[in-house]
Amino acid sequence: DVKVTQSSRYLVKRTGEKVFLECVQDMDHENMFWYRQDPGLGLRLIYFSYDVKMKEKGDIPEGYSVSREKKERFSLILESASTNQTSMYLCASSPSFRPKLAGRFWGEQYFGPGTRLTVT
Amino acid sequence: KQEVTQIPAALSVPEGENLVLNCSFTDSAIYNLQWFRQDPGKGLTSLLLIQSSQREQTSGRLNASLDKSSGRSTLYIAASQPGDSATYLCAVTNTNAGKSTFGDGTTLTVKP
Repeated sequence: DVKVTQSSRYLVKRTGEKVFLECVQDMDHENMFWYRQDPGLGLRLIYFSYDVKMKEKGDIPEGYSVSREKKERFSLILESASTNQTSMYLCASSPSFRPKLAGRFWGEQYFGPGTRLTVT
Repeated sequence: KQEVTQIPAALSVPEGENLVLNCSFTDSAIYNLQWFRQDPGKGLTSLLLIQSSQREQTSGRLNASLDKSSGRSTLYIAASQPGDSATYLCAVTNTNAGKSTFGDGTTLTVKP
């Protein structure tokens, strides 16, 4: 079974702190994603990565950065945490398919258990 | 921009009933559609993935169908049980962007 783990289930940080959220997958998936989930706003993509050291902005990248130095690990960084970043953070991974005619496609996404971050 | 809608937002049924959850999307240029289950305070669990070339997928008591031309997918749950109570989300992945767009989910309650 695919396993996606996240470093913390619950985290409480103060405004202005630098926060690291880590995600590890054990299925050798090329693609990894960071989402946040808020009541009334659903799941929104922050950043994703389709290879080591590669990253692309999602729909709401402002205030966040990411790092992918190893294939199995994808880190989300809040440079200076703010109260509006209080949320549930979800990491996901998926395999990648590369048809001969180029393009990059995503397979089935597998999610971690989530990190509930509170910024006070 | 892709938009995904799930109606109703909440559904309550008695145990044993068969039910259908709906997912509609505005852009039919999708690569796949995935159904998830989410329990309160937890991550998402993948239930079924339908590729754009497929019409349906089945897993146990679950059956998901896809009609790309009309922009609709349904998740059919047979003989519902209290343990099926959860929020069900659908997500579509577009061929051009490669990113997934999620619906807001349908919260299902199955009463004993």
